[in-house]
Amino acid sequence: GAVVSQHPSWVICKSGTSVKIECRSLDFQATTMFWYRQFPKQSLMLMATSNEGSKATYEQGVEKDKFLINHASLTLSTLTVTSAHPEDSSFYICSASPTGGSPLHFGNGTRLTVT
Amino acid sequence: AQSVTQLDSQVPVFEEAPVELRCNYSSSVSVYLFWYVQYPNQGLQLLLKYLSGSTLVKGINGFEAEFNKSQTSFHLRKPSVHISDTAEYFCAVSRNTGKLIFGQGTTLQVKP
Repeated sequence: GAVVSQHPSWVICKSGTSVKIECRSLDFQATTMFWYRQFPKQSLMLMATSNEGSKATYEQGVEKDKFLINHASLTLSTLTVTSAHPEDSSFYICSASPTGGSPLHFGNGTRLTVT
Repeated sequence: AQSVTQLDSQVPVFEEAPVELRCNYSSSVSVYLFWYVQYPNQGLQLLLKYLSGSTLVKGINGFEAEFNKSQTSFHLRKPSVHISDTAEYFCAVSRNTGKLIFGQGTTLQVKP
């Protein structure tokens, strides 16, 4: 079946540095990818919609200059957390849609810890 | 705008007992409905989905859910749970824009 690979699965970085998270669709082309954020014991909150070849659409309250999204190919979207701070520590999950409709395939998530 | 409410934050149940996880949604337009399961430190796995047609939807791992339009509900059920079903369960809605709106999640705790 379709698989979405997310890398790294966990990362620890120092405050002020930037971290890049990759989301790859392994056996289908993903015209649309989605990035979610999940705090401990909480639900997933959509951060942004990433469309191949165009700018990402950010949800209200999400800083686009802090969370840079690039979807340069049909199989790869990246999320870069710039100038990370401890409050950015969270679980980040991507999902990918092969048809541009409802996403059915999620990555295994990336646990980001900012010290 | 759509919203999803999962009425129970935690549901403890004994092994082999039946379970129901409740989900209500709010939307002014037709939506698609989903249930996902999340194991610790992992992504989400789709259990089942309702897009159209029969209101009783069967999913993986013995789960099923019934779409009730009049009550705007999409409750998840399993007749006999296993220890391995212990996980976080999320109900979600979508208008087919590709964006999922998730409920707050329900922790299913299966006790031996």
